[in-house]
Amino acid sequence: GQNIDQPTEMTATEGAIVQINCTYQTSGFNGLFWYQQHAGEAPTFLSYNVLDGLEEKGRFSSFLSRSKGYSYLLLKELQMKDSASYLCAVRISGGYNKLIFGAGTRLAVHP
Amino acid sequence: EPEVTQTPSHQVTQMGQEVILRCVPISNHLYFYWYRQILGQKVEFLVSFYNNEISEKSEIFDDQFSVERPDGSNFTLKIRSTKLEDSAMYFCASSGPSGRGNEQFFGPGTRLTVL
Repeated sequence: GQNIDQPTEMTATEGAIVQINCTYQTSGFNGLFWYQQHAGEAPTFLSYNVLDGLEEKGRFSSFLSRSKGYSYLLLKELQMKDSASYLCAVRISGGYNKLIFGAGTRLAVHP
Repeated sequence: EPEVTQTPSHQVTQMGQEVILRCVPISNHLYFYWYRQILGQKVEFLVSFYNNEISEKSEIFDDQFSVERPDGSNFTLKIRSTKLEDSAMYFCASSGPSGRGNEQFFGPGTRLTVL
């Protein structure tokens, strides 16, 4: 089976740093994606990891440990507009790139 | 920047009716997908499409569902006889053969309401 776990909700303060964790147990692994989704809107791509380590892109970084089945998304210098759901998704190997999504972490950024 | 487009943005239908959701993927992409998201729940994979045929489908994608690429630009999802539980946001996505891990670009979605 496919199992992707992430916290349901998190809160943080504007200007702070927040880390959103994701653990996965999937039958096959070919990359892990993080998407941002504002309410009522489509997921938008944030980051991608296929090898172990940290990928940094501006205020966002993502880390992957394949041996532990673990990833995190790090958001720095939080802004009010970062209030959204953050979706962890695993691309399953052996297929045609289908993504299996976690339930998402709803992040609320407060002043 | 190229984007995936979907029409209509909102579709209301009666139970048992057929609906067709339309998508125009990014023009040089080769892989196409439909996902759905029931309100308050996670995004779920429905089907992937490559080289003019279904490459993979989930258990949700039963005989009531079909996909088609009728011309070089459109990609459609048909639900033959809608049920109440088909009410959801339906997202089309596409990806190309190269780029950052073949990321999937999502369209804005069609909100389907079955009454």
